[in-house]
Amino acid sequence: DAGVTQSPTHLIKTRGQHVTLRCSPISGHKSVSWYQQVLGQGPQFIFQYYEKEERGRGNFPDRFSARQFPNYSSELNVNALLLGDSALYLCASSLADRENDGYTFGSGTRLTVV
Amino acid sequence: KQEVTQIPAALSVPEGENLVLNCSFTDSAIYNLQWFRQDPGKGLTSLLLIQSSQREQTSGRLNASLDKSSGRSTLYIAASQPGDSATYLCAVCGVGGGADGLTFGKGTHLIIQP
Repeated sequence: DAGVTQSPTHLIKTRGQHVTLRCSPISGHKSVSWYQQVLGQGPQFIFQYYEKEERGRGNFPDRFSARQFPNYSSELNVNALLLGDSALYLCASSLADRENDGYTFGSGTRLTVV
Repeated sequence: KQEVTQIPAALSVPEGENLVLNCSFTDSAIYNLQWFRQDPGKGLTSLLLIQSSQREQTSGRLNASLDKSSGRSTLYIAASQPGDSATYLCAVCGVGGGADGLTFGKGTHLIIQP
């Protein structure tokens, strides 16, 4: 059974550009969350989606947005990229929004903004 | 606001030693606590999940304990091996569930010397 898959694995963008990152949860999981991890730090919560609705949002600017599709896959969009957006972006899936069984993370997308 | 602290930040020990990694959190109103392992540049691998009503969980050479009232968790690694070298992250899930996201510590960077 496939785990959480993220694409692309690596990405280089120029300041001011827009980027879209993609995530497919484990089959049967209805909740997807996004995290940003900068070097040397723990991951920071960006968004959680459950059943295609936003259920939670971390302390990130409006340049960050996301959505979840009917098949429960998700996209994270970042507009007007800044150098400080360079990070590992992690997607996590869980069965439901109460996370009785915890989170399963993907391998991440490494974004470099130059 | 929940804050998670991990001590030590880095640890280097010879192979075969037993070791303890520490995690503390400021708000005891948690839903569960999860320990992860992260290899350099990779995603997170879940090691152990402890629900707020539990005191400990075990998996192979790993044992995690939780003292919710004092805001502490420990990860015990028995008979360490070079393959255990990685960064270990502690994350708490607040009672708001997914809406709050996970709050992570900065991790303990562990090196097991052969």
